[in-house]
Amino acid sequence: DAKTTQPPSMDCAEGRAANLPCNHSTISGNEYVYWYRQIHSQGPQYIIHGLKNNETNEMASLIITEDRKSSTLILPHATLRDTAVYYCIVRSTGANSKLTFGKGITLSVRP
Amino acid sequence: NAGVTQTPKFQVLKTGQSMTLQCAQDMNHEYMSWYRQDPGMGLRLIHYSVGAGITDQGEVPNGYNVSRSTTEDFPLRLLSAAPSQTSVYFCASSQIGGARAFFGQGTRLTVV
Repeated sequence: DAKTTQPPSMDCAEGRAANLPCNHSTISGNEYVYWYRQIHSQGPQYIIHGLKNNETNEMASLIITEDRKSSTLILPHATLRDTAVYYCIVRSTGANSKLTFGKGITLSVRP
Repeated sequence: NAGVTQTPKFQVLKTGQSMTLQCAQDMNHEYMSWYRQDPGMGLRLIHYSVGAGITDQGEVPNGYNVSRSTTEDFPLRLLSAAPSQTSVYFCASSQIGGARAFFGQGTRLTVV
C-alpha cells in the first residue's frame, strides 16, 4: 500500500472550514484514500473514503486531485469536538489489504 | 448494536504474567485485526485475520499470539508480558475489502 505524508499539526477557528492536506504520490490505480480520526485516545473513527471522485457525507468532504497524488479532507464548520488526530490512509480493497496508520495530523480547533 | 467490544478496558500485569485480551464483534465481519498504540505514535498492526481459522502477522507480532476459531471473536494472547508491551491495544473489524473499519474503545495495559 502506498505511503502518505501529512503535516504534523494545524489549527483553525471554530465555525470555520478545516482543510486537512495529504500527499500520496505513489498511490496506485486500485488504491482508495481513507480518512479516520482519533479523539483523545478513543478508538479511531471512520470519516470518509474515495477513489478518484470527490466525496461528501454528513461528516466531511474529500477532494482528490485529478492525478490522485494528493487529497484534502474538509470539515466545513469545525467545532471544538473536531479536535483530534486525523489519519490519511491509502489502501487497496484486496482481501489481505491492511489498514496502516502513520502519525496523522493533529487538528486543534480554537474557540 | 454493540459493534466491536474489547475487554478488559484496563489491566495491570507483572512481568512474566500471561493474559488474553478479548475482542468480539457482532457485525459478521470477516476481517479482524489488533493494533497497539504507544504515546505520540500512530497505531501499529500486530496480527490480523481474514476469517475463521486464518491469521497472519502484522508489523509488530513478536510476543503476541492470536487465533480465530469463530467469526465473532479474535483474542490476543500475551504469553509472558514484558514492560515493552505497555501500550493501548485496539481491535478492529471490517468486511473483506470493505470500506470502513470499526474499532473498539481500547484496552490500556500496563506491565510492571
